[in-house]
Amino acid sequence: DTEVTQTPKHLVMGMTNKKSLKCEQHMGHRAMYWYKQKAKKPPELMFVYSYEKLSINESVPSRFSPECPNSSLLNLHLHALQPEDSALYLCASSQYVSGGDGDTQYFGPGTRLTVL
Amino acid sequence: AQSVTQLDSQVPVFEEAPVELRCNYSSSVSVYLFWYVQYPNQGLQLLLKYLSGSTLVESINGFEAEFNKSQTSFHLRKPSVHISDTAEYFCAVSDQSGGYQKVTFGTGTKLQVIP
Repeated sequence: DTEVTQTPKHLVMGMTNKKSLKCEQHMGHRAMYWYKQKAKKPPELMFVYSYEKLSINESVPSRFSPECPNSSLLNLHLHALQPEDSALYLCASSQYVSGGDGDTQYFGPGTRLTVL
Repeated sequence: AQSVTQLDSQVPVFEEAPVELRCNYSSSVSVYLFWYVQYPNQGLQLLLKYLSGSTLVESINGFEAEFNKSQTSFHLRKPSVHISDTAEYFCAVSDQSGGYQKVTFGTGTKLQVIP
């Protein structure tokens, strides 16, 4: 099973709201990722978690706050977003951060976020 | 630094015709190569990957890609496309430079299958 699940599928929020995106995998993967994808563009890496610790932050604004409560869960907390943050947010996981087949990233279906 | 080039942003093709989606990459180290497919309003699905071994890799739905090291290419082919193949296709490369797995995506090719 190579399934990564994400909730919610769609989210509409105002600029003053606080919301969270959730990602879950049960493949025993120890690396998890958040990507942002704008329309007609490739995914852009935001964060990488390795063994539940934040290892990469690609200069993402602090209004995005990731959290990895355990090896299966990854959250993205959202606060004071801007309309330009509207995008598809994708979660992915891989077996290891580096090496062999562990480099294969498996993606979830994404959360379509609209900021009003 | 690694990079991926998908020269064709859109490829229209008639149903049951063959198709080739081109992908070229550059990297200073050994790489792993991937093709992902994204159907409208959905996430990315892994289509096929090259990690090592045979340079020709195949997917379960009839796509194949060949790793060509000398030409630094990983073109995706299908001998006969179906309407359901209409989607965005992303070529991606990952390597270990910088101490962590970094995946770089191409800009994508939209495959439009015409009935």
